[in-house]
Amino acid sequence: AQSVTQLGSHVSVSEGALVLLRCNYSSSVPPYLFWYVQYPNQGLQLLLKYTSAATLVKGINGFEAEFKKSETSFHLTKPSAHMSDAAEYFCAVSDLNYGQNFVFGPGTRLSVLP
Amino acid sequence: SAVISQKPSRDICQRGTSLTIQCQVDSQVTMMFWYRQQPGQSLTLIATANQGSEATYESGFVIDKFPISRPNLTFSTLTVSNMSPEDSSIYLCSVVGKMNTEAFFGQGTRLTVV
Repeated sequence: AQSVTQLGSHVSVSEGALVLLRCNYSSSVPPYLFWYVQYPNQGLQLLLKYTSAATLVKGINGFEAEFKKSETSFHLTKPSAHMSDAAEYFCAVSDLNYGQNFVFGPGTRLSVLP
Repeated sequence: SAVISQKPSRDICQRGTSLTIQCQVDSQVTMMFWYRQQPGQSLTLIATANQGSEATYESGFVIDKFPISRPNLTFSTLTVSNMSPEDSSIYLCSVVGKMNTEAFFGQGTRLTVV
């Protein structure tokens, strides 16, 4: 069975500060890993994904994440937070039979302070 | 990418009634997924809808409560039956991309049961 944990249900950073959102996963097979963002009253938008290629993945809006197998982690970072980054962020894991098993983490709400 | 249109975007319903949510995709897809996002929580998969066969429900969800139709490769409906306030959630439709490495989401249906 797969699972995802996200440390911190709510993270606050100052505008211009580093954003670090943590994600750890559990999977019995090589996983596909994803970060999605959800703005208020909207659906989910893919930020980035890891599908067994480069371990450092760059996504949209300046976000990136690094797959670390030894730590079973896929933390999301952005060097400088912007007010528009305030949203809910979800880490998700899927096994190679993508679509058969796609599990979301509990989510982390990011607040950006002026 | 896939563009998903979901209707209605929101509704307020009386307990005991039923609501049918529509999901239209701009391309043919094999599998469509329905998720529930309860207030302040992550996404939980309700069922997988395959064209031409009955939907596959996850543990805790049953067909009598959440009947699903999938008449063709671009359309699906989810009905929330005999609603109670506990059914107040966001319901999201999702499809998997052709390369099976990304999930696309509709904007969601925000349901409030009073």
